[in-house]
Amino acid sequence: GQSLEQPSEVTAVEGAIVQINCTYQTSGFYGLSWYQQHDGGAPTFLSYNALDGLEETGRFSSFLSRSDSYGYLLLQELQMKDSASYFCAVRPRMDSSYKLIFGSGTRLLVRP
Amino acid sequence: SAVISQKPSRDICQRGTSLTIQCQVDSQVTMMFWYRQQPGQSLTLIATANQGSEATYESGFVIDKFPISRPNLTFSTLTVSNMSPEDSSIYLCSVATGRSNQPQHFGDGTRLSIL
Repeated sequence: GQSLEQPSEVTAVEGAIVQINCTYQTSGFYGLSWYQQHDGGAPTFLSYNALDGLEETGRFSSFLSRSDSYGYLLLQELQMKDSASYFCAVRPRMDSSYKLIFGSGTRLLVRP
Repeated sequence: SAVISQKPSRDICQRGTSLTIQCQVDSQVTMMFWYRQQPGQSLTLIATANQGSEATYESGFVIDKFPISRPNLTFSTLTVSNMSPEDSSIYLCSVATGRSNQPQHFGDGTRLSIL
């Protein structure tokens, strides 16, 4: 089976940098995705790592290390609007349906 | 990216009744999924809606409780049957193109409360 663990909550100051970790136990997957969800809103896609290494998209970067069963989302120049829940997710390799298995989620609170 | 419309956006229902949630996409998509998200929790996949055939359910979810239809490549429904307070949750529809590097896109969800 698959399980993806994240810290339940992270607090940071506006303008700072924060890293949200995702550690996983899975028999194999195609890539690691990150989604953002504001309260009352739909999850929206942020980043995808098909291969090991760093992917950068504006203020957001994501990293994957398959050998360490670990990934993270890095948010730079934090803004108040970044306060939201963040989920890592994988598509299991043994399944052809393109479904996603989501991590436990991290609630990020950005303080002034 | 695909535009996904979910109806209703929210509802309050009586115990023992059923509610059907609709998901409409503005373009043809290969994959459609239904998730449940309980308050403050992560997303749990209920089933994959297959066009023209029975849905594929995840462990812990059964067709009698969550019947799903997908008559074409742009539309799907999820019914929550014989509801109890434990079914109070957000139900989310998502779509995927079938390409491994393309993200899933989600509807705004249906917030369901059972009295």
